Amino acid sequence: KQEVTQIPAALSVPEGENLVLNCSFTDSAIYNLQWFRQDPGKGLTSLLLIQSSQREQTSGRLNASLDKSSGRSTLYIAASQPGDSATYLCASSYNQGGKLIFGQGTELSVKP
Amino acid sequence: DARVTQTPRHKVTEMGQEVTMRCQPILGHNTVFWYRQTMMQGLELLAYFRNRAPLDDSGMPKDRFSAEMPDATLATLKIQPSEPRDSAVYFCASGWTSLHTEAFFGQGTRLTVV
Repeated sequence: KQEVTQIPAALSVPEGENLVLNCSFTDSAIYNLQWFRQDPGKGLTSLLLIQSSQREQTSGRLNASLDKSSGRSTLYIAASQPGDSATYLCASSYNQGGKLIFGQGTELSVKP
Repeated sequence: DARVTQTPRHKVTEMGQEVTMRCQPILGHNTVFWYRQTMMQGLELLAYFRNRAPLDDSGMPKDRFSAEMPDATLATLKIQPSEPRDSAVYFCASGWTSLHTEAFFGQGTRLTVV
């Protein structure tokens, strides 16, 4: 069964700290992996998409990596800010334009 | 500003009533997904369409749920009859079957069945 797990479920850090969110997937035949952000009561905002042929993607202070052999992806957030507080979800896909399988998310709180 | 539009944003209904949720995918996208989000289960796929044809609806309770795409600009999700356990946030997402496809989500419909 294809499953995605995110650890930790919740994380609280002081402002300015660099942090890493973890995502693991059971089926390494991944097509791509997408990281999303969800603010309370809102929809999901796509942050980064990594194709299976890629090792990492960067957008501003965010860097996502993908290691297919170990079944892991990480989202690195540099110099965290209170505005980064949200739930971060990763989702795997196993074919082009295919359905996304989501982890349970990591709820991040960045304290001023 | 291209976005996925869902209506209504909130719906409160009594058990047994029919509920219809609508989604307007981003123009040009050929894949539409319906997800349900609850605290206990997280995000679960209910159904998805490609070029308006249903590809996978295995996550959907067939006896009460139905999903359709009457045309390329409209996707609907119906629940009849609704039950309290259907209370959740229902998200629609759209995408395009290209190498670098991303899924874009709507703001969701928060359904409460009392």
